[in-house]
Amino acid sequence: DQQVKQNSPSLSVQEGRISILNCDYTNSMFDYFLWYKKYPAEGPTFLISISSIKDKNEDGRFTVFLNKSAKHLSLHIVPSQPGDSAVYFCAASDPSAGGTSYGKLTFGQGTILTVHP
Amino acid sequence: SQTIHQWPATLVQPVGSPLSLECTVEGTSNPNLYWYRQAAGRGLQLLFYSVGIGQISSEVPQNLSASRPQDRQFILSSKKLLLSDSGFYLCAWSVWVLSGSTDTQYFGPGTRLTVL
Repeated sequence: DQQVKQNSPSLSVQEGRISILNCDYTNSMFDYFLWYKKYPAEGPTFLISISSIKDKNEDGRFTVFLNKSAKHLSLHIVPSQPGDSAVYFCAASDPSAGGTSYGKLTFGQGTILTVHP
Repeated sequence: SQTIHQWPATLVQPVGSPLSLECTVEGTSNPNLYWYRQAAGRGLQLLFYSVGIGQISSEVPQNLSASRPQDRQFILSSKKLLLSDSGFYLCAWSVWVLSGSTDTQYFGPGTRLTVL
């Protein structure tokens, strides 16, 4: 049972345009959501997060939107740059899972973003 | 500032050989520690996590084991590797928090394991 899904395996965008990466989840207990960026042969790097009490969080060119009723979040990158080309993972946390909070994250399968010059 | 190290960066091992991957964290105390695997073309699968020395929780049954001999050291092991153990292994840490809240996980550079 995949609780976090990224239904688009890949996305191709022209430099300067907006990139929109989508993520859907099924567990209504998720209360914290994150986006990570991963280059080949490297560990994921944290990009941006959002708590379930918010519907938007912005950091420079990156904005994450959360629609709790639809169980959907998205990452907007504006403007897109060739250096943004990477795999993007969304992740979610359910603090009620387990007797102690160990910050377990459930990851999506990832979306490969390619930004063309 | 906190840093996380993993070694080796790459490893090629024959089937049936043992495995030991090491992860260490600097600049923080009592972190939560995690081992993930990314198989080719797939997402991140949580293998083990630890909230303290000697405490290990396993997420999936498998050929691997983990140990935490020191506060900031996390080791992934196998007695006999299988072909299916090939993949990219990632260690991550997060700040220990009280129940009901959570925090961001930070990943190491990863180890590329190829089992032949």
